Amino acid sequence: KAGVTQTPRYLIKTRGQQVTLSCSPISGHRSVSWYQQTPGQGLQFLFEYFSETQRNKGNFPGRFSGRQFSNSRSEMNVSTLELGDSALYLCASSPGVMAGITGELFFGEGSRLTVL
Amino acid sequence: DQQVKQNSPSLSVQEGRISILNCDYTNSMFDYFLWYKKYPAEGPTFLISISSIKDKNEDGRFTVFLNKSAKHLSLHIVPSQPGDSAVYFCAASASYGGATNKLIFGTGTLLAVQP
Repeated sequence: KAGVTQTPRYLIKTRGQQVTLSCSPISGHRSVSWYQQTPGQGLQFLFEYFSETQRNKGNFPGRFSGRQFSNSRSEMNVSTLELGDSALYLCASSPGVMAGITGELFFGEGSRLTVL
Repeated sequence: DQQVKQNSPSLSVQEGRISILNCDYTNSMFDYFLWYKKYPAEGPTFLISISSIKDKNEDGRFTVFLNKSAKHLSLHIVPSQPGDSAVYFCAASASYGGATNKLIFGTGTLLAVQP
């Protein structure tokens, strides 16, 4: 069974540009979440989608947006990039809607974004 | 405001001994707690979880203890093996009676198990 696939794995952008990251969840998983990992900050929740609906959103500015398609694939977009957006962006999928009940999220390897 | 805190950025343990990783939280609404392990260049992988109605959950070499009154949980690894060397993240979830996969993570503890 294929795992969570994120593309691209690495990318370099300059300030002011925008970026779109893609995530293909494990087959059959309908929930997709996005997290930002930066040194010293751990993983910070961006947003969560289930059946194409955003269920939760973290405390990030409106420059960060996402969506989920009918096949459960998800994309996140960051507009007007800032230096502080440099981070590892992790996508996670889950078969259900409750991390507590299912016990786990399945993470991809992440997309490493560098903003110059 | 960091709702989940891992105050030890790193921990070094001898192979065969016990590793104890600690985590503190501030939000009393958290009702599920999880531990994830992360190797370099890989995504985090789930280790073990515990519901707030329990105080202990065990899975092989891994045991998680929850002390709700102290808002503290710990992960015990016995015996520790060199392959356990990784960053360990504590995470918490608050359902508020609804459904969510939103996890609040700590900043992680780098465990090094020395052969």
